[in-house]
Amino acid sequence: DGGITQSPKYLFRKEGQNVTLSCEQNLNHDAMYWYRQDPGQGLRLIYYSQIVNDFQKGDIAEGYSVSREKKESFPLTVTSAQKNPTAFYLCASSIGWGVDTQYFGPGTRLTVL
Amino acid sequence: KNEVEQSPQNLTAQEGEFITINCSYSVGISALHWLQQHPGGGIVSLFMLSSGKKKHGRLIATINIQEKHSSLHITASHPRDSAVYICAVKGGKETSGSRLTFGEGTQLTVNP
Repeated sequence: DGGITQSPKYLFRKEGQNVTLSCEQNLNHDAMYWYRQDPGQGLRLIYYSQIVNDFQKGDIAEGYSVSREKKESFPLTVTSAQKNPTAFYLCASSIGWGVDTQYFGPGTRLTVL
Repeated sequence: KNEVEQSPQNLTAQEGEFITINCSYSVGISALHWLQQHPGGGIVSLFMLSSGKKKHGRLIATINIQEKHSSLHITASHPRDSAVYICAVKGGKETSGSRLTFGEGTQLTVNP
């Protein structure tokens, strides 16, 4: 079955530690996205990648980093520089940049203690 | 003021009721999406609209481009419709390409 997987579902880390969230898709999609969701707020774009080996900052990129070395993988690292990292993180992909429909993964809930 | 505003924020209904969720936006758009987020967190796309009306099963989505407004209707609501419904637009003032601007979501609870 084609789809997007994110792991783990729940993640706990101590303050000051970097943590990497996994996102994998087998849909053969070129474009991938990372969003952050906080209570009472709409999804906000952290980073996006239009194609492999390329990525761009979104609206709230500070304290995060990404890589896109393989078409199917777009990991997100939450660094210690992110002031308030506890949130629900969603990965998405679309066939190509400029194609409207995005397919979402199940999300990872990160809690920093 | 957010570029995308949804109302109501929370909605409780009895099974069988007709439900309407509204979305207003303040910028020119090329497309509007309605998404459904289940309690586990996963999001699925329900509709993509650029004009008129679309129907899928008990769900109907409409958009009025001139009034910058869209509605999502659920007929004969069922407890399994309980979820957060999210409106998202493409083509806001600070977006480009595939970037979407999201509303805060409407939490729908349908009681049996």
